[in-house]
Amino acid sequence: GQSLEQPSEVTAVEGAIVQINCTYQTSGFYGLSWYQQHDGGAPTFLSYNALDGLEETGRFSSFLSRSDSYGYLLLQELQMKDSASYFCAEPLASGGSYIPTFGRGTSLIVHP
Amino acid sequence: NAGVTQTPKFQVLKTGQSMTLQCAQDMNHNSMYWYRQDPGMGLRLIYYSASEGTTDKGEVPNGYNVSRLNKREFSLRLESAAPSQTSVYFCASSELWGGGRTDTQYFGPGTRLTVL
Repeated sequence: GQSLEQPSEVTAVEGAIVQINCTYQTSGFYGLSWYQQHDGGAPTFLSYNALDGLEETGRFSSFLSRSDSYGYLLLQELQMKDSASYFCAEPLASGGSYIPTFGRGTSLIVHP
Repeated sequence: NAGVTQTPKFQVLKTGQSMTLQCAQDMNHNSMYWYRQDPGMGLRLIYYSASEGTTDKGEVPNGYNVSRLNKREFSLRLESAAPSQTSVYFCASSELWGGGRTDTQYFGPGTRLTVL
């Protein structure tokens, strides 16, 4: 089954705050990354959490709770340009190494 | 500084044809990756190269081969294309491949491949 679970779609209005959740596999956990991808574009890195707590980068913040195997991406003061897909990712153990593994993505739709 | 570049941007193949997707990075990164992205499936790792001279299978390697030509270039080859390989292919690079450590990946613009 999918080791990273995130909602398939989230909608919000311009100016609001939205949270995108991600639950992950706990075995050998090293950290959780977040990437943004606009339609037809390349994924771009947003943030990374290795330890519990909040990491803030401008309007975007990412949170991690290792005890709950859970993280989220928080987007504040939403703008139309934030409409995109958001992926959480972690390295998963495979055959003696680690493979970067992505969730299936959350499509964020921002309405005016 | 172009980052990660990929060629071609679009390609249409017939079943059974072969082709090579090219990827190059100018950031002096050690590690490079090939992913495919299908609707609703996220990004799935095909092959990766932790450092120059090494390559390893990812989650979905069947039907593909790779070559790490030098530190800058990492190519993906489809020997006999199948309709199931219709997808968007992304190349990525990162500075390090530190075992379980997550390192920021930088992605190319993608190649949109259709196999008829």
